[in-house]
Amino acid sequence: NAGVTQTPKFQVLKTGQSMTLQCAQDMNHEYMSWYRQDPGMGLRLIHYSVGAGITDQGEVPNGYNVSRSTTEDFPLRLLSAAPSQTSVYFCASRQLAGRFNEQFFGPGTRLTVL
Amino acid sequence: QQQVKQSPQSLIVQKGGISIINCAYENTAFDYFPWYQQFPGKGPALLIAIRPDVSEKKEGRFTISFNKSAKQFSLHIMDSQPGDSATYFCAAAPNAGGTSYGKLTFGQGTILTVHP
Repeated sequence: NAGVTQTPKFQVLKTGQSMTLQCAQDMNHEYMSWYRQDPGMGLRLIHYSVGAGITDQGEVPNGYNVSRSTTEDFPLRLLSAAPSQTSVYFCASRQLAGRFNEQFFGPGTRLTVL
Repeated sequence: QQQVKQSPQSLIVQKGGISIINCAYENTAFDYFPWYQQFPGKGPALLIAIRPDVSEKKEGRFTISFNKSAKQFSLHIMDSQPGDSATYFCAAAPNAGGTSYGKLTFGQGTILTVHP
């Protein structure tokens, strides 16, 4: 199993550009989520999904869109990038059922918005 | 509003010493407290986790101590090794039913350096 994979590893955007961060998992996990990591702030939840066709907002959703058409994939879209979105983005997945299931994180995408 | 406060921001210990990282939370609905370890350029990985029905959990050199009344929990790393040098995050998830269990709230992180 590859676990949780993310592409690209690095990306530089100009303000106003759009892009999609890709996330895929091969563990058949229903629950997938996106976090951003900023210095001194830990990781903050952006959006999450409990299955294909079902998404919801996390703590910091503004400026980001998500959709979930398959169990495996959960892309994160930036429609008009802003410098405040410079961050490291992590995708994660877990089995939905069960309170204490481990959440598995991908290797991250480092995004810089100029 | 930081619902989980972690300290210290950075920690330097000598090989063989004890590393202690503390976290405090505000939301009484939290009932799952994992610790994650992150090496540079990698994603966080679960290290150890505790549920609120126990006050301590030990796995090898890593121990979580939990004080429900004080709303605090801590990670102790015994016999710290240079390979333990990493960033450590505490986290908490609420028992609010449904999908809440996956909604982790993280502390700010602690950069641990273990000198040989």
